[in-house]
Amino acid sequence: DAGVIQSPRHEVTEMGQEVTLRCKPISGHNSLFWYRQTMMRGLELLIYFNNNVPIDDSGMPEDRFSAKMPNASFSTLKIQPSEPRDSAVYFCASSLAGESKNIQYFGAGTRLSVL
Amino acid sequence: SQQGEEDPQALSIQEGENATMNCSYKTSINNLQWYRQNSGRGLVHLILIRSNEREKHSGRLRVTLDTSKKSSSLLITASRAADTASYFCATHARGNEKLTFGTGTRLTIIP
Repeated sequence: DAGVIQSPRHEVTEMGQEVTLRCKPISGHNSLFWYRQTMMRGLELLIYFNNNVPIDDSGMPEDRFSAKMPNASFSTLKIQPSEPRDSAVYFCASSLAGESKNIQYFGAGTRLSVL
Repeated sequence: SQQGEEDPQALSIQEGENATMNCSYKTSINNLQWYRQNSGRGLVHLILIRSNEREKHSGRLRVTLDTSKKSSSLLITASRAADTASYFCATHARGNEKLTFGTGTRLTIIP
């Protein structure tokens, strides 16, 4: 299996622009997680899906952030409009919910810089 | 606030020595997991210990869990330069699929 695939790996954009991050989970996994990692705040869970349905979006910072999972093999995280404080590394992870372990498999991340 | 807090925040040791990292958490758990993150990469699962287990081994890794103290430790024996990374504990509670990650320990192995 190719693992969790995220794109792009790096994104540089200007303040006010729309940013879309993409994630392909491991085939067969039914839970998907979006995280943000910064030096100041560490690793934060933004939102997670189970069977393509958003379960907990309490970590989404504000209305500028939105996430979708139209099918089991694809998810997007959108920031509109972007701000410099959104600069961070964004990770997607997937797991097989229902088994008792809930081990998560992470993608390589998208490093976002908002100028 | 973070569910898990790792201690120490940073650790530097000589190659060949043992490294011990600690994690404290606040609520009841189903299991506790340790992950490693190399610079610029995603997190990788290392080992899992269930709430009814006290100790687990995997290669050079040894994990202990004390649910009465809500704490865990990760021991890496005979450290190697390739062990240089950040290490995170993560707790899983019953009833949902999410993990709550700690703040991490940055481990540096000096050759």
